[in-house]
Amino acid sequence: NAGVTQTPKFQVLKTGQSMTLQCAQDMNHEYMSWYRQDPGMGLRLIHYSVGAGITDQGEVPNGYNVSRSTTEDFPLRLLSAAPSQTSVYFCASSLDGDEQFFGPGTRLTVL
Amino acid sequence: GNSVTQMEGPVTLSEEAFLTINCTYTATGYPSLFWYVQYPGEGLQLLLKATKADDKGSNKGFEATYRKETTSFHLEKGSVQVSDSAVYFCAPADTGRRALTFGSGTRLQVQP
Repeated sequence: NAGVTQTPKFQVLKTGQSMTLQCAQDMNHEYMSWYRQDPGMGLRLIHYSVGAGITDQGEVPNGYNVSRSTTEDFPLRLLSAAPSQTSVYFCASSLDGDEQFFGPGTRLTVL
Repeated sequence: GNSVTQMEGPVTLSEEAFLTINCTYTATGYPSLFWYVQYPGEGLQLLLKATKADDKGSNKGFEATYRKETTSFHLEKGSVQVSDSAVYFCAPADTGRRALTFGSGTRLQVQP
């Protein structure tokens, strides 16, 4: 099993550009989530999904969209990137909604 | 919603010293509790967990006990090594969102 995979590992965007951060898991987990990690603030929940076709907002959803068309994939879309979205993004999945398995992260810089 | 308070770092210790990282939380009900570790340049790994009151989670010499009365889950290790240098996150489960609520993290630096 590859576990949770994320692409790309690094990305630089200009303000106003859009992009999609990819996340996939091969463990048949129902629950998936996106977090952002900023210095001194731990990880904050952006969006989460409790199954295919079901998504909801976390703590910091503004500026981000998600969809969950399959159990395996949970992409995160930035519609119009802003410097405040410079961060490290982690995707996670869970079998039971408790223990989370994390991907390696995507480091995003918005200029 | 949940909230987590962790002791601020960095915590700097000499090798073989005793480690305590305090964590207290507020949550609805009695969620499972986790400690995750992030080594430099890497993602998050589960270090240990406890699923009910008075449970003790342990792994790699680290321990933490689920204290319902004080809503705490302090991390301890009897003798730290240089290889333990990392950032440690306390995280109760958010049972409504099937996700985790993270503390701000505590950076541990162990000197030889």
